[in-house]
Amino acid sequence: EVQVVQSGAEVKKPGESLKISCKGSGYNFTDYWIAWLRQMPGKGLEWMGIIYPGDSESRYNPSFQGQVTISADRSITTAYLQWGSLKASDTAMYFCARHDSGGFYFDSWGQGTLVTVSS
Amino acid sequence: SFVLTQPPSVSVAPGKTARITCGGHNIGSKGVHWYQQKPGQAPLLVIYFDSDRPSGIPERFSGSNSGNTATLTISRVEVEDEAAYYCQLWDSPSDHRVFGGGTKLTVL
Repeated sequence: EVQVVQSGAEVKKPGESLKISCKGSGYNFTDYWIAWLRQMPGKGLEWMGIIYPGDSESRYNPSFQGQVTISADRSITTAYLQWGSLKASDTAMYFCARHDSGGFYFDSWGQGTLVTVSS
Repeated sequence: SFVLTQPPSVSVAPGKTARITCGGHNIGSKGVHWYQQKPGQAPLLVIYFDSDRPSGIPERFSGSNSGNTATLTISRVEVEDEAAYYCQLWDSPSDHRVFGGGTKLTVL
């Protein structure tokens, strides 16, 4: 069974760094792109970027380029989303999701990681 | 980047048919995918490539795509179908994955 499991909720202060994780299991982790998506409170889904764990190639939505870093460690079948300096506006639910084999849609989703940034 | 437009809300009585639209320029030439998101839960894929259903999704869920509009149709609507629904596609020129703004389905 394909599973995507994310790390738990985080509460941070503005200016702090953060790295959240997404562990895939039940499939060949290196063969499928993993995406990160943001959902701000009461709002819709936004695609942030993707990574191919096979070679760590990453691609970003220009709106998020330079604001976050997407990485992966295939030895532990885990993808990451990280911030160097959080802002209050980063407060949101973050989902990771596995792409289908062609990279067109998202067929398995993590449960979400709530990130709260507040002084 | 490609823009997808959905109505903010749709209301339907139980047992009736709900139709949720997703508009975009010549969207009929692209593959459209649909997700259901209930409050406090992760999205769930309900339709992919316009009209295909993942295993486990009831046959009541169907989709179509032509011209400038893709449509998610839910037949014999049940109370449990109340959720937000999002359309999504892969925009090949930009290599971006694009979502519509979402439609809140209310079952009256």
